[in-house]
Amino acid sequence: GAVVSQHPSRVICKSGTSVKIECRSLDFQATTMFWYRQFPKQSLMLMATSNEGSKATYEQGVEKDKFLINHASLTLSTLTVTSAHPEDSSFYICSASFGSGGEQYFGPGTRLTVT
Amino acid sequence: AQKVTQAQTEISVVEKEDVTLDCVYETRDTTYYLFWYKQPPSGELVFLIRRNSFDEQNEISGRYSWNFQKSTSSFNFTITASQVVDSAVYFCALSEGSGNTGKLIFGQGTTLQVKP
Repeated sequence: GAVVSQHPSRVICKSGTSVKIECRSLDFQATTMFWYRQFPKQSLMLMATSNEGSKATYEQGVEKDKFLINHASLTLSTLTVTSAHPEDSSFYICSASFGSGGEQYFGPGTRLTVT
Repeated sequence: AQKVTQAQTEISVVEKEDVTLDCVYETRDTTYYLFWYKQPPSGELVFLIRRNSFDEQNEISGRYSWNFQKSTSSFNFTITASQVVDSAVYFCALSEGSGNTGKLIFGQGTTLQVKP
């Protein structure tokens, strides 16, 4: 149980374009979803927390207009990187939680390369 | 402020050796949770353990064991008789429990290389 999927697993896009990443909880309803970014050989950094039906809460230093997060249902959250630049190239990981205790279930990640 | 420190950036051992990965945390909360995750080269995070702040019992799961010491704010992870498949990046993480936003604060990670 508690499976989280991400789509796509890899994406290459041109500078200036937008790309959408989907995160789905497959067998549970996720009240909260989290988006992390991981640069090569670095740790995971939380970008934002989203609760179903409400606006995402962004961490300090994360541009909300650049990284659009939508959590339209209890099983789906999307992250859209708008006007992507090469420095946005990274590994994006989502996680989903359905209860207290901070237990999160992670997706397999999406590797974004902006050329 | 919450913080997780994994002082060991990289560790290299030979198969069958025991290895301990250190994790030190900082938090002002009395209720919190500690985690260990494994990240193999594929990138997907693998959950290993969750521990709440009120449970200081050490835990053993097969070749893995964890030593939680509140007095030193440490949550160390030991792999006994390491294997090549244990090679990965290991992250320690902290989540504060009161109010529980569920936010995870990750340490910098320790890259473990187990050589045959």
